[in-house]
Amino acid sequence: EAGVTQFPSHSVIEKGQTVTLRCDPISGHDNLYWYRRVMGKEIKFLLHFVKESKQDESGMPNNRFLAERTGGTYSTLKVQPAELEDSGVYFCASSQLGGAPGYTFGSGTRLTVV
Amino acid sequence: LAKTTQPISMDSYEGQEVNITCSHNNIATNDYITWYQQFPSQGPRFIIQGYKTKVTNEVASLFIPADRKSSTLSLPRVSLSDTAVYYCLVGDPRGFQKLVFGTGTRLLVSP
Repeated sequence: EAGVTQFPSHSVIEKGQTVTLRCDPISGHDNLYWYRRVMGKEIKFLLHFVKESKQDESGMPNNRFLAERTGGTYSTLKVQPAELEDSGVYFCASSQLGGAPGYTFGSGTRLTVV
Repeated sequence: LAKTTQPISMDSYEGQEVNITCSHNNIATNDYITWYQQFPSQGPRFIIQGYKTKVTNEVASLFIPADRKSSTLSLPRVSLSDTAVYYCLVGDPRGFQKLVFGTGTRLLVSP
C-alpha cells in the first residue's frame, strides 16, 4: 500500500508569493490532517478533514492559509501571501476508522520563505 | 488533551535496552497512550499504542502502570538506526482527535 505522499518536498519562495502544498493520503482514508513545525518549535496541528469537510481548523494561524480537499481525496494547503514566519516543515497525515492504529504521516514539505 | 512530559534527550549504545518514560498525570479515562518515532527529514511514524498493562509488538514494548499516569516505551537491543526523536502522546483514538506533540525525547545510539 502506498503511503502518504507530499509534494513538493522542498519549496523556496520569496515573501509575498503564493505557494501550494499538496498531500495525497492513503487511498480510502477519510481523515486527513495538516501539521507544521516551525524552526525550533514543536509540531503543531493545523486542521483536520473528514472526507471533504473541515472537521477542525482551530490550528490554522490566519486567513493567509487556505486548505481544500475537493472530492475527499487529495488535499492542498495554500499560503498566500507567504511571510517569513511561515517557514517550516508542513506534514500531512491520514487515518481511517477501523484501520490500523495511529496516523500515517508523509515526509513533509520544507517551506522556506526568503 | 492531556499534556505529556518526557526527557529531552537520552544516550545509549548499540545492543542495550532503552526505556523512555513519559508522564501524563491528567490522562482521561478514554485516552490511549501512543508513541511515535521521527527520523530527520521524515514525518513521525507510529510505533505502538496501549491503554493499560503491557503491549508488545515487533518493534517495542509499552508498559503502563495501573494508575496510567505514566508509561514506558522499551526498545530492546537498540541499533544505530534507532537514533531518532520519540514522542509520547495521549488521546482518544476513536475520536480521531488532533495530535498534541511535545518536545519528544531525542535518542542517540552510539557504537
